[in-house]
Amino acid sequence: GAVVSQHPSWVICKSGTSVKIECRSLDFQATTMFWYRQFPKQSLMLMATSNEGSKATYEQGVEKDKFLINHASLTLSTLTVTSAHPEDSSFYICSASENPYNEQFFGPGTRLTVL
Amino acid sequence: AQKVTQAQTEISVVEKEDVTLDCVYETRDTTYYLFWYKQPPSGELVFLIRRNSFDEQNEISGRYSWNFQKSTSSFNFTITASQVVDSAVYFCALSENTGGFKTIFGAGTRLFVKA
Repeated sequence: GAVVSQHPSWVICKSGTSVKIECRSLDFQATTMFWYRQFPKQSLMLMATSNEGSKATYEQGVEKDKFLINHASLTLSTLTVTSAHPEDSSFYICSASENPYNEQFFGPGTRLTVL
Repeated sequence: AQKVTQAQTEISVVEKEDVTLDCVYETRDTTYYLFWYKQPPSGELVFLIRRNSFDEQNEISGRYSWNFQKSTSSFNFTITASQVVDSAVYFCALSENTGGFKTIFGAGTRLFVKA
């Protein structure tokens, strides 16, 4: 199947710093990328949908100024958690698809810990 | 409104037992897609199956089988002769066009298979 990578796989940062997470589709062009957040023992919560070349669509309750999403190319989307705080600590997962109705291919996830 | 219900929070079985994971969905669209994903302890999501709303045929893949019934809005997943390696969290998901494509995940069912 198609491969999606995420970098970094884990990050620990101090409160108040910004963290950038990259999501790349390695062997296909992803017109759409999705960002999810998963708290321990909970389901995936969709944060935003990102289409290449346009602004991301955020889900209700997700602060767009807090979670900056950029989808500058068909193979790369980035999520920047700005001024991170301990409550932002979570497992962030991206997914990518060539067609929104096709299966999404998921990245391995990034575990963010904010001290 | 789009909704996916996985009523079983946790299931514990002994190896070689059959187990069925339930999934009930709600949607107003006539065109939609249903998915099952596996999330092992490593955290990375693994795609298992995609079904579109016009294809009610059941599917079998090795020890896995899926039963899609539109009449009851259910898309259940059965593992036959379970193995310890099947231990994971399984998510059912629904994708539809609601002014932008997005996929909603159920809460997940944690499956424990004991040797």
